[in-house]
Amino acid sequence: SYVLTQPPSVSVAPGKTARITCGGNNIGSKSVHWYQQKPGQAPVLVIYYDSDRPSGIPERFSGSNSGNTATLTISRVEAGDEADYYCQVWDSSSDHPVVFGGGTKLTVL
Amino acid sequence: EVQLVESGGGLVQPGGSLRLSCAASGFTVSSNYMSWVRQAPGKGLEWVSVIYSGGSTYYADSVKGRFTISRDNSKNTLYLQMNSLRAEDTAVYYCARDQAVAGTRWFDPWGQGTLVTVSS
Repeated sequence: SYVLTQPPSVSVAPGKTARITCGGNNIGSKSVHWYQQKPGQAPVLVIYYDSDRPSGIPERFSGSNSGNTATLTISRVEAGDEADYYCQVWDSSSDHPVVFGGGTKLTVL
Repeated sequence: EVQLVESGGGLVQPGGSLRLSCAASGFTVSSNYMSWVRQAPGKGLEWVSVIYSGGSTYYADSVKGRFTISRDNSKNTLYLQMNSLRAEDTAVYYCARDQAVAGTRWFDPWGQGTLVTVSS
């Protein structure tokens, strides 16, 4: 089955740019979706279709996807962005088509 | 406002049963794909089950034969019947609208989650 690999943790100072990667075999050929999960809360969709933002998500959140790596970029990081972030794809060729990455803990220093 | 509210979680002994509910507002459950996703304590997200708008159902291997997803159109509510529960089923269970568009799928929105604890 398809595997998505995320770094366990990323740290960034307030006001700087955070980049969270999601690695997978030829992931650039799939659509990648990203979720933010704050402690004790449900996940929230922040990026879909690689780079589209749902309404209500700040423009500081952006996404890209090419080759074997998709990236969630958070510009001008704020303390309130501290959360776990999960990438997800739909692998239609698999018996287990819904695939989540293991998650990345974003720490704002 | 589109919203999902889960209920029904709790403490259950191994081998026991539990039924989770997910009440939707702001959209029609039967016109959408709807999924259950769970998260074990301190762990990542694991997809559990989906029901398509046409009524077809699918399950993760880990719950196949033990869990049943269903919906009540008159109540606009999604359910997850969980039987033969095991300790490894302990998790927060989320319901989510499963957006299926052009060869991909994502989950939005999610409910607040309900905790299921399987322990003696």
